[in-house]
Amino acid sequence: NAGVTQTPKFQVLKTGQSMTLQCAQDMNHNSMYWYRQDPGMGLRLIYYSASEGTTDKGEVPNGYNVSRLNKREFSLRLESAAPSQTSVYFCASSELGVGGGYEQYFGPGTRLTVT
Amino acid sequence: LAKTTQPISMDSYEGQEVNITCSHNNIATNDYITWYQQFPSQGPRFIIQGYKTKVTNEVASLFIPADRKSSTLSLPRVSLSDTAVYYCLVGDFRNAGNNRKLIWGLGTSLAVNP
Repeated sequence: NAGVTQTPKFQVLKTGQSMTLQCAQDMNHNSMYWYRQDPGMGLRLIYYSASEGTTDKGEVPNGYNVSRLNKREFSLRLESAAPSQTSVYFCASSELGVGGGYEQYFGPGTRLTVT
Repeated sequence: LAKTTQPISMDSYEGQEVNITCSHNNIATNDYITWYQQFPSQGPRFIIQGYKTKVTNEVASLFIPADRKSSTLSLPRVSLSDTAVYYCLVGDFRNAGNNRKLIWGLGTSLAVNP
């Protein structure tokens, strides 16, 4: 099991360019998430997908769009990148655990720089 | 909306017990409390989760008082490899709709010294 995979690992964009961050999980989880992590800000939820076919905004959705392509894949798109979107992006997935709790599994992250 | 507050940093020594407390005064009825560990250049890794009272697993314990306005992660006998950032997360994972709020603390940087 690869768990949660993300591509690319690193990316440099110029202001105004677009790109899509890819995420896939092989744990058959229903829920998937996109976070950004900035120094001093902790993790902030951008969008999530509670189940296949649904997506919802998190805390900081402006400037982003998402697609839940199927149960395995959840992509994050930046239509017109801005320097404020320079960050580390994490994808995660979760499912109801044996004990009744929800454990999120995280990917390795994508380090994005917008110049 | 729940806001989580935790100490910025802590220092400890190998073999000691470490307790990290998170404050979440506005926790909602359906919110769970979860703790994650993060090493540099890696994604967070789940440590433990609870709703009330005490939860223990093979690596940590989580203490939650009756009012649920705070929680304490307890790491027994830490080693150098426990040097990491620890995050408190408060949120309702059971809500499948558009009100799933997941509020992360800013993290506690734990340094374990020999």
